[in-house]
Formats: sequence, structure tokens, C-alpha cells
Amino acid sequence: EAGVAQSPRYKIIEKRQSVAFWCNPISGHATLYWYQQILGQGPKLLIQFQNNGVVDDSQLPKDRFSAERLKGVDSTLKIQPAKLEDSAVYLCASSRPGRSGYTFGSGTRLTVV
Amino acid sequence: DQQVKQNSPSLSVQEGRISILNCDYTNSMFDYFLWYKKYPAEGPTFLISISSIKDKNEDGRFTVFLNKSAKHLSLHIVPSQPGDSAVYFCAASADTGNQFYFGTGTSLTVIP
Repeated sequence: EAGVAQSPRYKIIEKRQSVAFWCNPISGHATLYWYQQILGQGPKLLIQFQNNGVVDDSQLPKDRFSAERLKGVDSTLKIQPAKLEDSAVYLCASSRPGRSGYTFGSGTRLTVV
Repeated sequence: DQQVKQNSPSLSVQEGRISILNCDYTNSMFDYFLWYKKYPAEGPTFLISISSIKDKNEDGRFTVFLNKSAKHLSLHIVPSQPGDSAVYFCAASADTGNQFYFGTGTSLTVIP
């Protein structure tokens, strides 16, 4: 099966600019996650979708971050405006229903200068 | 609040020897645990899992041990190979929505 696709792989922007990341999960995986991994730390959940509904967005900084999953398939994560501390790798993952491990994409490395 | 902790940032092991990576957690509601391996510039890949109804799970060279009373799990790799050099993350989940909490990772280097 094809893996989780993410784009772009790398992005460099200036602070206060906006940026968007795209994710296409594994076909048939109803649950989609966006994680933020800051250098030297473990991945931290930003938002979890079940089909096109939000299950948990309690750790999403909603004043600047937004995410959507239209039609329950692809998802987009946006940051506007970006801050220096948003520099991180943004990982998208998907999973089947129920208790199971995730399949992660390769991530988007964001550098805010 | 870091609910899953990996206190060793790095570990070096000779090829052929055993690698032991440790993980501690604080939330007694966690009942499902995973280990992921991550190479540079790639996303984490699933390695092995264990449910709290077990205390051991084996898959080839990889064995995960769970000590619920100590809230501790460990990953054993025997024998270690140079290709095992990567960052290893443990992750834990309670029975709510399949959300996993990750540790900070241990960088394993296997020396040929």
C-alpha cells in the first residue's frame, strides 16, 4: 500500500508569513493526525481527525494554526502568522479505526527565520 | 507535562551485542505502548507494540518488556546491527481515541 504523502518536504519562511502543509493519508485510514516535532523533542499531537471531524485539537494554537480535512481524505495544516518557535518538523500520520499504531509521512521541515 | 520519558538521549553499542532502550511513563491509564524507529529526514516507522495485558512481546530481534507496577518498558535488540542505528521513540496511549504520547527519543549508534 502507498504510504502517507506529505508536501512540501522543506519550507523556509520569514516570521509573520503564512505557510500551508498538505497530507494525503493511506487509503482507508479514517483517522488522521498532525504532530509537531521540535528538534530534540518527541512528536506532540496538534490535531486528530476522525473522517472529516475533529476528535482532539486541544494542543493546537488556534490563534495561528488551523487545519481542515475536507471530504475525510486529504488534510491541510496552516500557520498564519508564523513565529520563530514554529520551526519544527510537521508530521502527518494516519491509522485504521481502533487501537493501532500510526503510519507516519516523511514530514515537512519548517524553518522560520 | 511529559507523560512519557526516555531519560537516555543516546546509547552506543557494539555490533552483535544487546541494545536496551528504556522508557518510563507517569499516566497509569496508559494501556497500549509502541516503539518507533526514525532515520534522519524520514518519518518514524512502527517497530513493535505491547498491550498492558502482556508483559513481553517478541518480533525477531526485537523484544519489548512491560513492567506495569514500575510504569516502565524497555526495548531489547539482539543482536544489534549497524542498520539499527537510529532514533527510537516510545509512545503510550490510554483507551481514548488512539492518541499516543511520545517520549523524547534515544539515539542508538551501533558500532561495527
